[in-house]
Amino acid sequence: DAKTTQPDSMESTEGETVHLPCSHATISGNEYIYWYRQVPLQGPEYVTHGLQQNTTNSMAFLAIASDRKSSTLILTHVSLRDAAVYHCILRGDQGGSAKLIFGEGTKLTVSS
Amino acid sequence: GPKVLQIPSHQIIDMGQMVTLNCDPVSNHLYFYWYKQILGQQMEFLVNFYNGKVMEKSKLFKDQFSVERPDGSYFTLKIQPTALEDSAVYFCASSLDGGSNERLFFGHGTKLSVL
Repeated sequence: DAKTTQPDSMESTEGETVHLPCSHATISGNEYIYWYRQVPLQGPEYVTHGLQQNTTNSMAFLAIASDRKSSTLILTHVSLRDAAVYHCILRGDQGGSAKLIFGEGTKLTVSS
Repeated sequence: GPKVLQIPSHQIIDMGQMVTLNCDPVSNHLYFYWYKQILGQQMEFLVNFYNGKVMEKSKLFKDQFSVERPDGSYFTLKIQPTALEDSAVYFCASSLDGGSNERLFFGHGTKLSVL
């Protein structure tokens, strides 16, 4: 799978909108862009994913660049519960069993 | 939403002993995964499993490791014998199918302490 680049950390304040960037310049045509988040002592939690079109759900909005070489996860009205490490992961079919490969992610700190 | 359950949440064993970590995946899921995370480090893929077979394994999946899901019950990771470097949190995950458009659901992990 192609590699992603994310900032090590970002800070925000409760109620703000946060933009978490991810660069994936070598993304392949069949690779989906996944976002998971993880807090200490818990397993990764699915946030969203997309292929080409922007997507939105109750957790976040995923903006995907038209050339797919970058994406941004947008969290609105963040709360203390949104503090986590956010992972941007590319995932493509690999013979029918597409594993997720985690990197370091972006540690989001939310202050009150 | 769908949940993956891992039992127990913490297990302490002596080096050289055998340990089995249990995972109760989402009920209709067919693909299963184990990951390993050492405290303060990133999650590392170990293995995935489908239809009774290992599909892919990483170099971290040593010969002492084995996985199985007998009769559709728990998906298990067995380590025999254990070593000190096996101390970590092990996360189980499952997905409905193996396609890249199908999300993985993770459990809360089993912390394994090898003394």
